[in-house]
Amino acid sequence: DAGVIQSPRHEVTEMGQEVTLRCKPISGHNSLFWYRQTMMRGLELLIYFNNNVPIDDSGMPEDRFSAKMPNASFSTLKIQPSEPRDSAVYFCASGPRIYNQPQHFGDGTRLSIL
Amino acid sequence: DQQVKQNSPSLSVQEGRISILNCDYTNSMFDYFLWYKKYPAEGPTFLISISSIKDKNEDGRFTVFLNKSAKHLSLHIVPSQPGDSAVYFCAASESNAGNMLTFGGGTRLMVKP
Repeated sequence: DAGVIQSPRHEVTEMGQEVTLRCKPISGHNSLFWYRQTMMRGLELLIYFNNNVPIDDSGMPEDRFSAKMPNASFSTLKIQPSEPRDSAVYFCASGPRIYNQPQHFGDGTRLSIL
Repeated sequence: DQQVKQNSPSLSVQEGRISILNCDYTNSMFDYFLWYKKYPAEGPTFLISISSIKDKNEDGRFTVFLNKSAKHLSLHIVPSQPGDSAVYFCAASESNAGNMLTFGGGTRLMVKP
């Protein structure tokens, strides 16, 4: 089975540019999660969706960040405008809606904002 | 305020010996706990989990112990192998908060041949 697929794997761009990260969850999973990993804050949840609907976005750092899930097989995380402090590894994870089942992670997007 | 803490940032163990990774939590509503393993340039991989109705769960070389009164869980790896060298994250969730996970800061395990 294909796992969670994220693209791009690496992104380097200049401050002020728009950045779009993409995620394809595991087929059949109803929940999708976006995480950010930094040295200072570790792995932190940004937002999660159930059945394509955003449930909790309290982890989104500010209005420059937005996430969408137009259908069950695709989600985007957008940063506009980007800033150097957004540099981090961004992970997408998906899981079944059944409780007590683990989430499965993609390999992440390493984002560098110059 | 960190609700899930891994107080040891790193651990070094000889091959064949036991590795014990520890995790503490503060939220008494957490009722499902997981361990993930992470290699460089890869995403976290699910390793083992435990529900709060149990105090032990075993899967091959990996055993997770849960002490609810102490709000503490640990992961035992026996015997440790060089391929186990990775960063280990513990995570917790509560049934009333959907499937959201709260992660600890991770422990880097190095297994020396």
